[in-house]
Amino acid sequence: EVQLVESGGGLVQPGGSLKLSCAASGFTFSGSAMHWVRQASGKGLEWVGRIRSKANSYATAYAASVKGRFTISRDDSKNTAYLQMNSLKTEDTAVYYCTTSSGWLWGQGTLVTVSS
Amino acid sequence: DIQMTQSPSSLSASVGDRVTITCQASQDISNYLNWYQQKPGKAPKLLIYDASNLETGVPSRFSGSGSGTDFTFTISSLQPEDIATYYCQQYDNPALTFGGGTKVEIK
Repeated sequence: EVQLVESGGGLVQPGGSLKLSCAASGFTFSGSAMHWVRQASGKGLEWVGRIRSKANSYATAYAASVKGRFTISRDDSKNTAYLQMNSLKTEDTAVYYCTTSSGWLWGQGTLVTVSS
Repeated sequence: DIQMTQSPSSLSASVGDRVTITCQASQDISNYLNWYQQKPGKAPKLLIYDASNLETGVPSRFSGSGSGTDFTFTISSLQPEDIATYYCQQYDNPALTFGGGTKVEIK
């Protein structure tokens, strides 16, 4: 089955860390750039960042709002992308989605809540 | 960064009406534009890619047009199942920038 499945969300205190995973199946993950997008409750979609494929040197890019705090990585042997989130702020509370570069496939999302 | 201005932010129309949403990019993005439908609690669903191409399996009442900076999304005959929020998105490397969304309701 062609799908993306996110995991790793949960409740974390401000200043804490969390690592999200995005497991892919049913398509050639290793050749695909992968993006992370988030959505706060009742708000619009916000791009978080992306990682390109090995052929493009695993190049990463980030939104200004998370640069220096979030890191995207991937393990092509496991068909999985990751989002490491450090120094979390309350405003990082959102549902986090992973998606393919062209937007044709999205995961179901995982909720991250940053609160004391 | 490229900004996407989407309008209107909400609209109410009757079943069978023609619905149009516009999206304007802050700079030329060629045809690097997608349109998505999102229902509450669900992930976005791709409807239109490359500004005017209908994604496989999407009903033909959905269409898109435009290039450069000005884009239009149309539902030719609104159906009850089309109640959702619609987003435009540009994919000029490296970022994906989304419009603010249009919430479509039935009058």
